[in-house]
Amino acid sequence: DIQMTQSPSSLSASVGDRVTITCRASQTISIFLNWYQQKPGKAPNLLIYAASSLQSGVPSRFSGSGSATDFTLTIDSLQPEDFATYYCQQSSSVPLTFGGGTKVEIK
Amino acid sequence: EVQLLESGGGLVQPGGSLRLSCAVSGFTFSSQAMSWLRQAPGKGLEWVSSLVGSGGSTYYPDSVKGRFTISRDNSQNTLYLQMNSLRAEDTAVYYCASQRIETNWNYFDFWGQGTLVTVSS
Repeated sequence: DIQMTQSPSSLSASVGDRVTITCRASQTISIFLNWYQQKPGKAPNLLIYAASSLQSGVPSRFSGSGSATDFTLTIDSLQPEDFATYYCQQSSSVPLTFGGGTKVEIK
Repeated sequence: EVQLLESGGGLVQPGGSLRLSCAVSGFTFSSQAMSWLRQAPGKGLEWVSSLVGSGGSTYYPDSVKGRFTISRDNSQNTLYLQMNSLRAEDTAVYYCASQRIETNWNYFDFWGQGTLVTVSS
């Protein structure tokens, strides 16, 4: 199974900050990497697919990069509605697996 | 508007069975790959099953293989998850999701609101 490791597991940031979350795969997954945002009590929401493609309707302050084993989600100018938990997910092979999540909290 | 609505969750004893349903609207259900995922209380996301392609190929992680069965009724635009031999560790919110699969990508684009399954005596 491919293990997905996210870091940090949590972070505190202020509105307007630039935030970077990293995700590392235990083996190469090309660009089969997706990012989701989840708010408490809600279903996850797709942000980025194929490592860097922005899902329709997602604000352009969200961006993704990387390939092979190392990936990054960046939020430029953090907004109040961005405080949530973020998950990466590999879709290169089954079982499909998720990172442990990164909780973005208000500083 | 795309909508996915899960139902069928509840309290079940260890070793028991439960069938979840996911009613879908807003897209052509019959041609769409569909999946179930879950999230234990306070924990992260876990993929549970996918049903892909016109031939209905199914996929499961080892944690549920042989106990869970995914199926669909295209006439009813409904996805199912039959869960047998339930264990305490199956306690979670279960989500259904549509899955977009192409040569260069594979992702879950639309999710339901989830249904809670509690396995306890």
